[in-house]
Amino acid sequence: EIVLTQSPATLSLSPGERATLSCRASQGVGNFLAWYQQKPGQAPRLLISDASNRAADIPARFSGSGSGTDFTLTITSLEPEDFAVYYCHQRSNRPPYTFGQGTKVEIK
Amino acid sequence: QVQLRESGPGLVEPSGTLSLTCAVSGASITSENYWGWIRQSPGKGLEWIGDIYHTVITNYNPSLKSRVTISVDKSKNQFSLKLSSVTAADTAIYYCAKNEDYWGQGILVTVSS
Repeated sequence: EIVLTQSPATLSLSPGERATLSCRASQGVGNFLAWYQQKPGQAPRLLISDASNRAADIPARFSGSGSGTDFTLTITSLEPEDFAVYYCHQRSNRPPYTFGQGTKVEIK
Repeated sequence: QVQLRESGPGLVEPSGTLSLTCAVSGASITSENYWGWIRQSPGKGLEWIGDIYHTVITNYNPSLKSRVTISVDKSKNQFSLKLSSVTAADTAIYYCAKNEDYWGQGILVTVSS
């Protein structure tokens, strides 16, 4: 099973600041890596697929990069609605497809 | 606009079978998409359960494979999840999803007597 490790667990930032979230895979996943945002009481929302492709209607301040084992989600300038929990998820070669444990972006 | 909606009992007795349905609108269940189930519990975070493709090709999480069945009902444009021999560890919010890009709102299922 491929383990995804996200860091940091919590990121305390102010609106307007830049957020950089990391996801490291225990073995290579190519570019089969997605990022999700989840707010309380809501389902996860797809932000990024295939490591760097923004999903429909996702603002340009969200970007993804990386391949293989190291991936990054960057939010260039945090808006109030961006404070949430972010998960990475891999769907490489064969099951089980796994999620990271999440990074909470909180208001400082 | 693709929409998915989970339905089913919110309470299941231990050793029983959890049965959920996901109704799909805005897309055909026979189209070339993965229709899957993911669950979320405080203890284990997000866990991929499995999916179905081309209405008959299934992939399951090996940790659940002996207890899980995912199937499609083409006449109702929906798909379902059955998880047998449930325990308290199966208590979670269950989500259905299309290609893991469109998700339902989730349904809380509690395993308890």
